[in-house]
Amino acid sequence: QKEVEQDPGPLSVPEGAIVSLNCTYSNSAFQYFMWYRQYSRKGPELLMYTYSSGNKEDGRFTAQVDKSSKYISLFIRDSQPSDSATYLCAMKRETSGSRLTFGEGTQLTVNP
Amino acid sequence: DADVTQTPRNRITKTGKRIMLECSQTKGHDRMYWYRQDPGLGLRLIYYSFDVKDINKGEISDGYSVSRQAQAKFSLSLESAIPNQTALYFCATSDLPAGLSTDTQYFGPGTRLTVL
Repeated sequence: QKEVEQDPGPLSVPEGAIVSLNCTYSNSAFQYFMWYRQYSRKGPELLMYTYSSGNKEDGRFTAQVDKSSKYISLFIRDSQPSDSATYLCAMKRETSGSRLTFGEGTQLTVNP
Repeated sequence: DADVTQTPRNRITKTGKRIMLECSQTKGHDRMYWYRQDPGLGLRLIYYSFDVKDINKGEISDGYSVSRQAQAKFSLSLESAIPNQTALYFCATSDLPAGLSTDTQYFGPGTRLTVL
């Protein structure tokens, strides 16, 4: 069983929709939670980073972590065609240094 | 200019050939990484290096080797390529600024490798 599960999609929404992307994980030692965005034919880039539980907001993006349920979410408000990309969740333990464990990514398309 | 560059961007090779993928960075970071990305499996760590004299295996290092020639250069080699090494390969770098508890990884544009 994978340590991090992420629905690969694809997910297609109309412009302006609220998008919810999710990951579940099995290792309770994960403390750092990230969301990366990957455009087609590009490398991933860090979008959001959260330590432990709680919410973090950055413009139209909100990251949520529920450690009791081992569940993390990324919400995108007022989605735009430019948000079309693959979104990868990533996590790491306090003791794993820089080693990240990634989900497989969810492919999102926002239609004009 | 891109901070993290990878060469080549695309490569097609045959089973049994030796292949080297190169990564260079201008970010001044000490930490460098090699990942492969496969559909359904996401990004998996092959090797990582925290400085020129420090090389560590990741979760899928079999069949691969690396060389850290300088702080800015980290190469990945496939000694004898096989078809199941067909994948998208990414190099990444990071640094841990003083006072922060975690670092951010910056990825290169990737190398698409096909082994026939």
